[in-house]
Amino acid sequence: QKEVEQDPGPLSVPEGAIVSLNCTYSNSAFQYFMWYRQYSRKGPELLMYTYSSGNKEDGRFTAQVDKSSKYISLFIRDSQPSDSATYLCAMRWQGAQKLVFGQGTRLTINP
Amino acid sequence: GAVVSQHPSWVICKSGTSVKIECRSLDFQATTMFWYRQFPKQSLMLMATSNEGSKATYEQGVEKDKFLINHASLTLSTLTVTSAHPEDSSFYICSAGDYNSPLHFGNGTRLTVT
Repeated sequence: QKEVEQDPGPLSVPEGAIVSLNCTYSNSAFQYFMWYRQYSRKGPELLMYTYSSGNKEDGRFTAQVDKSSKYISLFIRDSQPSDSATYLCAMRWQGAQKLVFGQGTRLTINP
Repeated sequence: GAVVSQHPSWVICKSGTSVKIECRSLDFQATTMFWYRQFPKQSLMLMATSNEGSKATYEQGVEKDKFLINHASLTLSTLTVTSAHPEDSSFYICSAGDYNSPLHFGNGTRLTVT
């Protein structure tokens, strides 16, 4: 079993839809949770960064962390074609910089 | 926000030659940088952890002599692919940060070995 599980998709939704992306993990020591967006042939771009459980909102993006269920989510509201990319969840434990990544979910927003 | 610059973005080299990739933290000091390799439609695979002023720590299965890492200053780490072969063709990405912030990534280097 992988430490971080993420459905690779692909996921295709119409423009304007709400997108839900999820990851589950097995290591309860993870404390920091991140979502990165990666366009083709580019490096990952940090979207959201959260510590421990709770919600965080930034514009059209909302990140949720449920440590009791070992489950994290990223919601994208009013999705746009420019949101089409691969979304990677990543996490690390306290005192570490090394990240553990999910497989990434390929998302396409159709105009 | 933190900026990580990676150069070159794309390089083509002949089999048997060596290629150097640079990773710079532009607005912060990074005692640790990470080097990843990514194959098409796959997630990032950590190759090594680069530590300023000391030897890099390589992940299991990564050849130390093929992928030379030098972290000579707090803002620069380099990855040299030595005696490159076509199977080394890949997308290489570096990242950097400090303990109080998330990692930021460079824009990657696409290496093609002919």
